[in-house]
Amino acid sequence: GQNIDQPTEMTATEGAIVQINCTYQTSGFNGLFWYQQHAGEAPTFLSYNVLDGLEEKGRFSSFLSRSKGYSYLLLKELQMKDSASYLCAVIDSNYQLIWGAGTKLIIKP
Amino acid sequence: EAGVAQSPRYKIIEKRQSVAFWCNPISGHATLYWYQQILGQGPKLLIQFQNNGVVDDSQLPKDRFSAERLKGVDSTLKIQPAKLEDSAVYLCASSSAGGGEINIQYFGAGTRLSVL
Repeated sequence: GQNIDQPTEMTATEGAIVQINCTYQTSGFNGLFWYQQHAGEAPTFLSYNVLDGLEEKGRFSSFLSRSKGYSYLLLKELQMKDSASYLCAVIDSNYQLIWGAGTKLIIKP
Repeated sequence: EAGVAQSPRYKIIEKRQSVAFWCNPISGHATLYWYQQILGQGPKLLIQFQNNGVVDDSQLPKDRFSAERLKGVDSTLKIQPAKLEDSAVYLCASSSAGGGEINIQYFGAGTRLSVL
Protein backbone atom coordinates (compact mmCIF):
# COMPACT_ATOMS: atom_id res chain seq x y z
CA GLY A 1 0.00 0.00 0.00
CA GLN A 2 0.91 3.63 -0.17
CA ASN A 3 1.82 5.44 2.98
CA ILE A 4 3.04 8.83 4.10
CA ASP A 5 4.15 9.39 7.70
CA GLN A 6 4.43 12.73 9.47
CA PRO A 7 4.44 13.56 13.17
CA THR A 8 0.96 14.46 14.35
CA GLU A 9 1.95 17.54 16.31
CA MET A 10 5.03 19.60 17.10
CA THR A 11 5.65 22.57 19.36
CA ALA A 12 8.31 25.25 18.88
CA THR A 13 9.21 28.67 20.21
CA GLU A 14 8.86 31.96 18.37
CA GLY A 15 12.17 32.89 16.71
CA ALA A 16 13.48 29.33 16.75
CA ILE A 17 13.96 26.74 13.99
CA VAL A 18 11.81 23.64 13.47
CA GLN A 19 12.16 20.67 11.14
CA ILE A 20 9.07 18.70 10.09
CA ASN A 21 9.84 15.26 8.71
CA CYS A 22 7.97 13.22 6.14
CA THR A 23 8.69 9.62 5.12
CA TYR A 24 6.90 7.92 2.27
CA GLN A 25 6.39 4.51 0.71
CA THR A 26 4.61 4.90 -2.61
CA SER A 27 4.32 3.08 -5.91
CA GLY A 28 6.80 5.22 -7.80
CA PHE A 29 7.80 8.81 -7.22
CA ASN A 30 7.33 11.87 -9.40
CA GLY A 31 7.73 14.67 -6.90
CA LEU A 32 6.84 15.84 -3.41
CA PHE A 33 4.84 18.86 -2.27
CA TRP A 34 4.60 20.69 1.03
CA TYR A 35 1.44 22.65 1.73
CA GLN A 36 0.52 24.90 4.67
CA GLN A 37 -3.01 24.86 6.05
CA HIS A 38 -4.20 27.30 8.70
CA ALA A 39 -7.13 26.14 10.79
CA GLY A 40 -10.37 26.48 8.86
CA GLU A 41 -8.62 27.54 5.68
CA ALA A 42 -7.54 25.97 2.40
CA PRO A 43 -4.11 24.36 1.92
CA THR A 44 -1.64 26.69 0.21
CA PHE A 45 1.40 25.61 -1.78
CA LEU A 46 4.80 26.00 -0.09
CA SER A 47 7.35 23.96 -2.03
CA TYR A 48 7.98 21.24 -4.57
CA ASN A 49 10.95 18.83 -4.74
CA VAL A 50 11.64 16.28 -7.44
CA LEU A 51 15.45 16.02 -7.27
CA ASP A 52 17.55 15.24 -4.21
CA GLY A 53 18.74 18.18 -2.21
CA LEU A 54 17.64 21.35 -0.53
CA GLU A 55 15.30 23.96 -2.00
CA GLU A 56 15.37 27.27 -0.14
CA LYS A 57 12.62 29.85 -0.28
CA GLY A 58 12.96 32.63 2.26
CA ARG A 59 12.41 31.36 5.79
CA PHE A 60 11.23 27.98 4.47
CA SER A 61 13.41 25.23 3.00
CA SER A 62 12.52 21.73 1.83
CA PHE A 63 14.85 18.76 1.50
CA LEU A 64 14.43 15.51 -0.40
CA SER A 65 16.25 12.18 -0.37
CA ARG A 66 14.63 9.84 -2.88
CA SER A 67 16.82 6.87 -1.91
CA LYS A 68 15.63 7.16 1.69
CA GLY A 69 12.00 8.06 0.89
CA TYR A 70 12.42 11.09 3.09
CA SER A 71 11.76 14.79 3.06
CA TYR A 72 11.75 17.57 5.60
CA LEU A 73 10.44 21.10 5.78
CA LEU A 74 12.65 23.52 7.69
CA LEU A 75 11.13 26.69 9.09
CA LYS A 76 13.50 29.38 10.38
CA GLU A 77 12.88 32.48 12.51
CA LEU A 78 9.51 31.15 13.52
CA GLN A 79 6.64 33.61 13.77
CA MET A 80 3.30 33.18 15.50
CA LYS A 81 1.59 33.18 12.10
CA ASP A 82 3.48 29.96 11.24
CA SER A 83 1.12 28.09 13.58
CA ALA A 84 -0.66 25.81 11.11
CA SER A 85 -0.76 22.27 9.78
CA TYR A 86 1.90 21.26 7.27
CA LEU A 87 0.91 18.63 4.73
CA CYS A 88 3.34 16.43 2.81
CA ALA A 89 2.06 14.98 -0.49
CA VAL A 90 3.78 12.66 -2.98
CA ILE A 91 3.05 12.18 -6.68
CA ASP A 92 3.07 8.45 -7.42
CA SER A 93 3.80 6.58 -10.65
CA ASN A 94 0.23 7.21 -11.88
CA TYR A 95 0.67 10.94 -11.25
CA GLN A 96 -1.85 10.75 -8.40
CA LEU A 97 -1.21 12.89 -5.33
CA ILE A 98 -0.94 10.89 -2.09
CA TRP A 99 -1.47 13.06 0.99
CA GLY A 100 -0.11 12.70 4.49
CA ALA A 101 -2.32 13.48 7.48
CA GLY A 102 -0.40 16.65 8.23
CA THR A 103 1.68 17.93 11.14
CA LYS A 104 0.08 20.49 13.44
CA LEU A 105 2.73 23.04 14.41
CA ILE A 106 2.13 25.07 17.56
CA ILE A 107 4.27 28.17 18.07
CA LYS A 108 4.69 29.48 21.61
CA PRO A 109 5.90 32.95 22.50
CA GLU B 1 -6.02 36.71 -10.43
CA ALA B 2 -9.12 35.36 -8.71
CA GLY B 3 -8.68 32.15 -6.77
CA VAL B 4 -10.86 29.05 -6.56
CA ALA B 5 -14.35 30.00 -5.42
CA GLN B 6 -16.56 27.67 -3.42
CA SER B 7 -20.00 27.99 -1.92
CA PRO B 8 -21.52 27.68 0.53
CA ARG B 9 -18.85 28.03 3.23
CA TYR B 10 -20.90 26.19 5.80
CA LYS B 11 -23.82 23.80 5.64
CA ILE B 12 -25.73 21.97 8.33
CA ILE B 13 -28.19 19.26 7.33
CA GLU B 14 -29.87 16.25 8.88
CA LYS B 15 -28.96 12.71 7.86
CA ARG B 16 -30.76 11.42 4.79
CA GLN B 17 -31.10 14.94 3.40
CA SER B 18 -29.43 16.08 0.19
CA VAL B 19 -26.77 18.76 -0.25
CA ALA B 20 -24.86 20.31 -3.15
CA PHE B 21 -21.60 22.19 -3.28
CA TRP B 22 -20.41 24.51 -6.04
CA CYS B 23 -16.90 25.28 -7.27
CA ASN B 24 -15.55 27.80 -9.78
CA PRO B 25 -11.88 27.07 -10.57
CA ILE B 26 -9.17 29.54 -11.50
CA SER B 27 -9.79 30.83 -15.01
CA GLY B 28 -8.09 28.66 -17.61
CA HIS B 29 -7.41 25.74 -15.31
CA ALA B 30 -8.35 22.54 -17.10
CA THR B 31 -8.10 20.18 -14.13
CA LEU B 32 -10.50 20.29 -11.21
CA TYR B 33 -10.45 18.17 -8.05
CA TRP B 34 -12.92 17.53 -5.26
CA TYR B 35 -11.47 16.41 -1.93
CA GLN B 36 -12.99 15.36 1.36
CA GLN B 37 -11.00 16.35 4.46
CA ILE B 38 -11.99 14.93 7.82
CA LEU B 39 -10.66 16.78 10.86
CA GLY B 40 -7.08 15.78 11.61
CA GLN B 41 -6.57 14.00 8.32
CA GLY B 42 -5.12 14.86 4.93
CA PRO B 43 -7.36 15.52 1.95
CA LYS B 44 -8.89 12.45 0.27
CA LEU B 45 -9.47 12.74 -3.47
CA LEU B 46 -13.08 12.09 -4.43
CA ILE B 47 -12.99 12.93 -8.12
CA GLN B 48 -10.72 14.55 -10.70
CA PHE B 49 -11.91 16.20 -13.92
CA GLN B 50 -9.86 17.09 -16.96
CA ASN B 51 -11.99 19.68 -18.74
CA ASN B 52 -15.45 18.05 -18.55
CA GLY B 53 -14.22 14.44 -18.49
CA VAL B 54 -13.62 12.29 -15.41
CA VAL B 55 -9.98 11.23 -14.90
CA ASP B 56 -10.33 9.48 -11.54
CA ASP B 57 -13.40 8.76 -9.43
CA SER B 58 -12.17 5.55 -7.82
CA GLN B 59 -12.74 6.85 -4.27
CA LEU B 60 -16.11 8.47 -4.89
CA PRO B 61 -18.93 6.64 -3.05
CA LYS B 62 -21.08 6.48 -6.15
CA ASP B 63 -24.15 5.19 -4.35
CA ARG B 64 -24.58 8.58 -2.71
CA PHE B 65 -22.09 11.04 -4.22
CA SER B 66 -22.19 12.52 -7.71
CA ALA B 67 -20.28 15.28 -9.42
CA GLU B 68 -20.42 17.02 -12.75
CA ARG B 69 -18.53 19.61 -14.74
CA LEU B 70 -20.76 20.05 -17.73
CA LYS B 71 -19.05 22.92 -19.56
CA GLY B 72 -15.53 22.23 -18.37
CA VAL B 73 -15.54 25.19 -15.97
CA ASP B 74 -17.82 25.18 -12.89
CA SER B 75 -18.47 21.99 -11.00
CA THR B 76 -21.02 20.72 -8.50
CA LEU B 77 -20.68 17.91 -5.99
CA LYS B 78 -23.85 16.37 -4.58
CA ILE B 79 -24.52 14.04 -1.68
CA GLN B 80 -27.85 12.22 -1.61
CA PRO B 81 -28.70 10.97 0.97
CA ALA B 82 -26.18 12.24 3.52
CA LYS B 83 -24.84 10.12 6.35
CA LEU B 84 -23.32 11.18 9.66
CA GLU B 85 -19.86 10.12 8.46
CA ASP B 86 -20.06 12.62 5.59
CA SER B 87 -19.38 15.43 8.07
CA ALA B 88 -16.15 16.94 6.75
CA VAL B 89 -14.71 19.84 4.80
CA TYR B 90 -15.15 19.52 1.05
CA LEU B 91 -12.31 21.17 -0.81
CA CYS B 92 -12.19 22.05 -4.46
CA ALA B 93 -8.85 22.55 -6.18
CA SER B 94 -7.75 23.37 -9.70
CA SER B 95 -4.53 23.17 -11.67
CA SER B 96 -3.39 24.28 -15.09
CA ALA B 97 -1.62 21.08 -16.13
CA GLY B 98 -3.27 17.95 -17.42
CA GLY B 99 -2.83 14.35 -16.36
CA GLY B 100 0.75 13.06 -16.49
CA GLU B 101 2.29 16.45 -15.84
CA ILE B 102 3.65 17.93 -12.64
CA ASN B 103 1.34 20.62 -11.46
CA ILE B 104 0.49 22.73 -8.44
CA GLN B 105 -3.03 22.48 -7.10
CA TYR B 106 -4.70 25.66 -5.86
CA PHE B 107 -7.44 25.19 -3.30
CA GLY B 108 -10.66 26.97 -2.49
CA ALA B 109 -11.63 27.82 1.09
CA GLY B 110 -13.84 24.72 1.28
CA THR B 111 -17.35 23.93 2.47
CA ARG B 112 -17.68 22.69 6.03
CA LEU B 113 -20.53 20.17 6.17
CA SER B 114 -22.12 19.03 9.39
CA VAL B 115 -24.58 16.15 9.21
CA LEU B 116 -26.76 15.83 12.32
